[in-house]
Amino acid sequence: NAGVTQTPKFRVLKTGQSMTLLCAQDMNHEYMYWYRQDPGMGLRLIHYSVGEGTTAKGEVPDGYNVSRLKKQNFLLGLESAAPSQTSVYFCASSYWSSGSPDTQYFGPGTRLTVL
Amino acid sequence: AQTVTQSQPEMSVQEAETVTLSCTYDTSESDYYLFWYKQPPSRQMILVIRQEAYKQQNATENRFSVNFQKAAKSFSLKISDSQLGDAAMYFCAYNPGSNYKLTFGKGTLLTVNP
Repeated sequence: NAGVTQTPKFRVLKTGQSMTLLCAQDMNHEYMYWYRQDPGMGLRLIHYSVGEGTTAKGEVPDGYNVSRLKKQNFLLGLESAAPSQTSVYFCASSYWSSGSPDTQYFGPGTRLTVL
Repeated sequence: AQTVTQSQPEMSVQEAETVTLSCTYDTSESDYYLFWYKQPPSRQMILVIRQEAYKQQNATENRFSVNFQKAAKSFSLKISDSQLGDAAMYFCAYNPGSNYKLTFGKGTLLTVNP
């Protein structure tokens, strides 16, 4: 099992450019998440998905869009990148048992720099 | 809103010694879940230990154990026989059990001195 993988690992963008980050998981998890990690801020949830075809906003959704066309993939899009979106982005996935959250498993992260 | 506080931005420990990382949280829930994640320089987030609030017994995973004090809303991580490979950022996280949301603390950077 590869677990959770993310593509790319590093990226540099210019202000106004667009890009898509890809997350893939092979654990058949229903739930998938996108976080950003900034120095001194811990991890903050951007968007999440409870299943194929469904997405929802997290704590810091502005400037990002997501799609979950297949159960194993969760895409994070930046339509017009801004320097404030310079961050490390993590994808995670988990099961959801009735009344009990399962552990979230994380990908290796993508370091994005917006100039 | 739930908050998770890690009051120690940095900690250091000598190899083979024991260190305790602090975490407190704020919640009105009675059933919830707590986690410690480790993030080494590779950036990978690795689950260290998980605790269900309804269980009075403290969780243990090899050299890692927690001291869960529900009334005090405290969830500290003890690392015994510290090894160089334990050097990492450690994050405490809270989940209310009723939804997806995982709230993280800001982390504690642990240095292990040889």
